[in-house]
Amino acid sequence: GAVVSQHPSRVICKSGTSVKIECRSLDFQATTMFWYRQFPKKSLMLMATSNEGSKATYEQGVEKDKFLINHASLTLSTLTVTSAHPEDSSFYICSAARTSGSYEQYFGPGTRLTVT
Amino acid sequence: GIQVEQSPPDLILQEGANSTLRCNFSDSVNNLQWFHQNPWGQLINLFYIPSGTKQNGRLSATTVATERYSLLYISSSQTTDSGVYFCAASYNQGGKLIFGQGTELSVKP
Repeated sequence: GAVVSQHPSRVICKSGTSVKIECRSLDFQATTMFWYRQFPKKSLMLMATSNEGSKATYEQGVEKDKFLINHASLTLSTLTVTSAHPEDSSFYICSAARTSGSYEQYFGPGTRLTVT
Repeated sequence: GIQVEQSPPDLILQEGANSTLRCNFSDSVNNLQWFHQNPWGQLINLFYIPSGTKQNGRLSATTVATERYSLLYISSSQTTDSGVYFCAASYNQGGKLIFGQGTELSVKP
């Protein structure tokens, strides 16, 4: 199979603190991982493309200093929400594509972030 | 950039009925995927189908790349089919997927 995990699945934090979300490809290597954000009753919005060993590419309107992305290995990417505020509360989902073969992407189960 | 549009936005079916969901995209694609988002938010891969036709049980999908659309067929629908169906497409080697707005399906017993 092609399994992607995320941790934590749910987190509640206070305003002003930072939160780190991990995305792992469990049974394949992923040169590229993607981070999405989803608001209630809405579609997924791409935030950034995470490339192993290089800087992430952010979509227009996404603050790179607020959403720090690190892709330290072929199986792990992390998203850190810095100085979180209530408006950062959302459902964050990562995906990964294999390093070779098809372009098919596999998605993690998501992380629900609530900032109080 | 590429645009992805889905129709209908909402669909209510009686159990046992068949349905067709449509996805239009604005440019040539190298990836077209259909997903079912379950009530816990997990995106379940249904089909990877940049072109051609595939079938998996009661579900099948067809992508006509030259006419820039894809169709997802659900036959003999069940209440467990309820949820949101997304199609997503990408058109470059960067691979980033652009999602449609989804079709929310409700299957009534």
